[in-house]
Amino acid sequence: QQQVRQSSQSLTVWEGETAILNCSYENSAFDYFPWYQQFPGEGPALLIAIRSVSDKKEDGRFTIFFNKREKNLSLHIKDSQPGDSATYFCAASARTGGYKVVFGSGTRLLVSP
Amino acid sequence: DPKIIQKPKYLVAVTGSEKILICEQYLGHNAMYWYRQSAKKPLEFMFSYSYQKLMDNQTASSRFQPQSSKKNHLDLQITALKPDDSATYFCASSQDRYQDTQYFGPGTRLLVL
Repeated sequence: QQQVRQSSQSLTVWEGETAILNCSYENSAFDYFPWYQQFPGEGPALLIAIRSVSDKKEDGRFTIFFNKREKNLSLHIKDSQPGDSATYFCAASARTGGYKVVFGSGTRLLVSP
Repeated sequence: DPKIIQKPKYLVAVTGSEKILICEQYLGHNAMYWYRQSAKKPLEFMFSYSYQKLMDNQTASSRFQPQSSKKNHLDLQITALKPDDSATYFCASSQDRYQDTQYFGPGTRLLVL
């Protein structure tokens, strides 16, 4: 049973476009949702995160939109750059679950110049 | 300076042998983790340690044994290696196990022939 699901394995956008990466989850107890960015040959790095009390979190070109009722969220990357090409993991954790982080399967983003 | 060191970066082993993957973190964190990443399962949680004590073990096989000799060390011993163990192994840490944000090391890429 996949608790955190990322709908697209891969996504290609043109430079300057907004990339939208989608994620859904099953466990209503999840209350923290980080997005990790991973470049080839490196470990995942925290990009941006949101708590379930918020519906939006913005950090520069990166924005998370969160819908608690629908149990889904999305990461928007505005003005995509070729340097944003990476794999993005949606993740979730719950205070009641001891904060164990559950990762989605990742979306590989390619930004074409 | 790298905050989480994993050694070696690459490792080739023969089936049936034993290897130890090294992880040291210099973030002053009290919780450490091991994850495995392969084509079959993008980021799979293996173990979590808090103050050098095992908190969670999601690895079915006893061939995988974490070892914590110091607070900032969490090595992973793998015995009787199988080709299916080929993957990249990531060490991660967080301030403590109740902190959502985990920081990942660069990984050790293991190939079992």
